[in-house]
Amino acid sequence: SQQGEEDPQALSIQEGENATMNCSYKTSINNLQWYRQNSGRGLVHLILIRSNEREKHSGRLRVTLDTSKKSSSLLITASRAADTASYFCATGKAAGNKLTFGGGTRVLVKP
Amino acid sequence: NAGVMQNPRHLVRRRGQEARLRCSPVKGHSHVYWYRQLPEEGLKFMVYLQKENIIDESGMPKERFSAEFPKEGPSILRIQQVVRGDSAAYFCASSPEQNNQPQHFGDGTRLSIL
Repeated sequence: SQQGEEDPQALSIQEGENATMNCSYKTSINNLQWYRQNSGRGLVHLILIRSNEREKHSGRLRVTLDTSKKSSSLLITASRAADTASYFCATGKAAGNKLTFGGGTRVLVKP
Repeated sequence: NAGVMQNPRHLVRRRGQEARLRCSPVKGHSHVYWYRQLPEEGLKFMVYLQKENIIDESGMPKERFSAEFPKEGPSILRIQQVVRGDSAAYFCASSPEQNNQPQHFGDGTRLSIL
């Protein structure tokens, strides 16, 4: 299977609830990034966490990284209908920082 | 500052024709990446370029596909003799010189092969 697998593949929650999605990867990384994609659009960068960092926050987003388990999680707190999108994790290595993406988690936030 | 601009947004070609996809990176960004996305899937890396140089083309098919990023003008992804399997969304991203920087994505070109 590919580097960067998200879990779950799909998530449906009510507005106001928290959404948690996980990402696992296989090889060593320099950084791990989370992106959001709305239907028919490009990817929007959310958070970049370096391999020597364990946790990072940005607004309602919280990302953790466990390099020993080769996994990361993205938590969206107090979700809103506008958070409905696909969320992708991507791993970057030092050279050139080309990204290897997972298959994504499709999040539906019901109003 | 304008973000990454891709054109066209939609491109329809018949089998055997050529497709040319253009990408203008964020002003000041010297690194350009091309990715391909099939429906309901994540993005797959194709090629990474810096000005006038291809740095990594490990994800790009050896035949029919080529990419360039000239000193002046946009980056071009060119697909010759397109086949039905080339139908996908093609995304371009750019990043600045420094490492560990996020990539900025365009809205993609949706290529449909008839």
